[in-house]
Amino acid sequence: GAGVSQSPSNKVTEKGKDVELRCDPISGHTALYWYRQRLGQGLEFLIYFQGNSAPDKSGLPSDRFSAERTGESVSTLTIQRTQQEDSAVYLCASSTRGTTRSYEQYFGPGTRLTVT
Amino acid sequence: AQKVTQAQTEISVVEKEDVTLDCVYETRDTTYYLFWYKQPPSGELVFLIRRNSFDEQNEISGRYSWNFQKSTSSFNFTITASQVVDSAVYFCALSESSGYSTLTFGKGTMLLVSP
Repeated sequence: GAGVSQSPSNKVTEKGKDVELRCDPISGHTALYWYRQRLGQGLEFLIYFQGNSAPDKSGLPSDRFSAERTGESVSTLTIQRTQQEDSAVYLCASSTRGTTRSYEQYFGPGTRLTVT
Repeated sequence: AQKVTQAQTEISVVEKEDVTLDCVYETRDTTYYLFWYKQPPSGELVFLIRRNSFDEQNEISGRYSWNFQKSTSSFNFTITASQVVDSAVYFCALSESSGYSTLTFGKGTMLLVSP
């Protein structure tokens, strides 16, 4: 079956521009997570969706970052006025549930963002 | 706050050697979950194992084995008879039962297996 997909796979943008990153979770997965992976680092949690609501946005690094999810499916992560420190791979994951029991998260291939 | 430490940043071995990747975690929860993920050069994270805090039985899956010890807050991963295809970055991660099951990752250990 189809896994988590993300687009674009690569994005190069100029400093100061806005970018949108898209995630298509596995069909039926109600929980969706965004993570950021800087070069040579582990993954940092950004935001979690349960359905279309985001009960945990604690990882968003600044108000330039926002995300939404519609139809309990596709999610978009938007970074406004990009900075060079935003350069990273942005990974999306989905799982069957995200509340008190920790189900396996399936990861997409990521979007590599380069801010020049 | 929860934390995962993978002290080994890079390990190089020759094919057929055994190798152990260390993972130490910190959490205040009594119920939590521990994970290992593999990230090959292609970049996509591959789930390897999930263990809950109440199950300290060691697990073996083919050439892979995991040693979970609550007394030392460790969840180490051993690859027996390593192969070139095992070359990847391996991440240990922790998820607490309270909260929203977000994963806290270690910084990863890069394993290089040479022929």
